[in-house]
Amino acid sequence: NAGVTQTPKFRVLKTGQSMTLLCAQDMNHEYMYWYRQDPGMGLRLIHYSVGEGTTAKGEVPDGYNVSRLKKQNFLLGLESAAPSQTSVYFCASISQGLKGYTFGSGTRLTVV
Amino acid sequence: KQEVTQIPAALSVPEGENLVLNCSFTDSAIYNLQWFRQDPGKGLTSLLLIQSSQREQTSGRLNASLDKSSGRSTLYIAASQPGDSATYLCAVERSGAGSYQLTFGKGTKLSVIP
Repeated sequence: NAGVTQTPKFRVLKTGQSMTLLCAQDMNHEYMYWYRQDPGMGLRLIHYSVGEGTTAKGEVPDGYNVSRLKKQNFLLGLESAAPSQTSVYFCASISQGLKGYTFGSGTRLTVV
Repeated sequence: KQEVTQIPAALSVPEGENLVLNCSFTDSAIYNLQWFRQDPGKGLTSLLLIQSSQREQTSGRLNASLDKSSGRSTLYIAASQPGDSATYLCAVERSGAGSYQLTFGKGTKLSVIP
């Protein structure tokens, strides 16, 4: 099925460990986004990309890095995980000229 | 900075009732406004998108309106059903940013009681 796929769906990390979250979309969308969702805070934008090879900071970028080496993939990296990064992470994509976002099903990350 | 507020935070209604969810935003220079549905432990499903030049959009039992000048949107759900129980999120897209960034409200958690 066409859409946005996030891997992994769940992960538990120890403080200081690193990991990469993968977002893959098969809709040929130009724009891709990483959001985090925390209780009482709503969804907040971490980083985004307007095309292959480009990335930009969102509202809460500290502690995260991203890469968009291929148009269909957007990677979110945590170099040294902290308990404050415990959250549910959502990837989304949209095509220029079309309306409406497509969201992945999320990655639930716990940092202990 | 754009701020999006959704009222009420939670709502419980008996099955069959019509209901209205409210969304307000502080900066009227928006590109469009979207309503999403989120089921527990799931991702977001787009329900309706209203472009800044539009006043409303309808899909089935859902109707969303937009008043840019007053910074408000409403989502009307007719003849509510237990399957409508979910969290409803409102999000506005910045105008002129060129990157289609969304600013979300914190959502309204709806419970429809059979």
